[in-house]
Amino acid sequence: QVQLQESGPGLVKPSQTLSLTCTVSGGSISSGSYYWSWIRQPAGKGLEWIGRIYTSGSTNYNPSLKSRVTISVDTSKNQFSLKLSSVTAADTAVYYCARAFPTGTTTIGWFDPWGQGTLVTVSS
Amino acid sequence: SYVLTQPPSVSVAPGQTARITCGGNNIGSKSVHWYQQKPGQAPVLVVYDDSDRPSGIPERFSGSNSGNTATLTISRVEAGDEADYYCQVWDSSSDPVVFGGGTKLTVL
Repeated sequence: QVQLQESGPGLVKPSQTLSLTCTVSGGSISSGSYYWSWIRQPAGKGLEWIGRIYTSGSTNYNPSLKSRVTISVDTSKNQFSLKLSSVTAADTAVYYCARAFPTGTTTIGWFDPWGQGTLVTVSS
Repeated sequence: SYVLTQPPSVSVAPGQTARITCGGNNIGSKSVHWYQQKPGQAPVLVVYDDSDRPSGIPERFSGSNSGNTATLTISRVEAGDEADYYCQVWDSSSDPVVFGGGTKLTVL
């Protein structure tokens, strides 16, 4: 059974770059036609999709974050990563990685499973 | 951008049926997915493609989608069902992944 685990610094200073990694276990990140996504949730608020990557390297980002986001994949390590630049306090949130099921050639459907999430606080 | 509207809260007594709605413009033409999130935990998929259940999810959880409203129905509600529930769709002209604002289910 596939499991996902986020890792990275829990504290990032304003204007710096947030970097997180998601390690996939229980299966190869390259097997199947899945997308791999990042989603975040500020405390007490709802879910916000950040972006996705296919193992070919093809990416798609939330337009509201696109200018600051980079998602990459390392199939040799069975990992994919998130970089969010120029962070502010508004980027403080629990960050989740998740596997996304495709429903078409470019569309995705649901997310399953999710990692346990990691809290990232932006503060000086 | 495409907007999904959920009621902030729904309350139901144990053993009764809870219905959580997710409104969106012509949402019936999209596939809707539902997640359950308990405090301090990651979301868990409970319904996908409007009405399908992942393995391990009780039959008490069901979904429907038509017109401008999708509905997650939880039959014979138990105390352990108390959680936040989120609907989600893909909208190619929007973000494109859109989540509803979430509904807190309280079991009285």
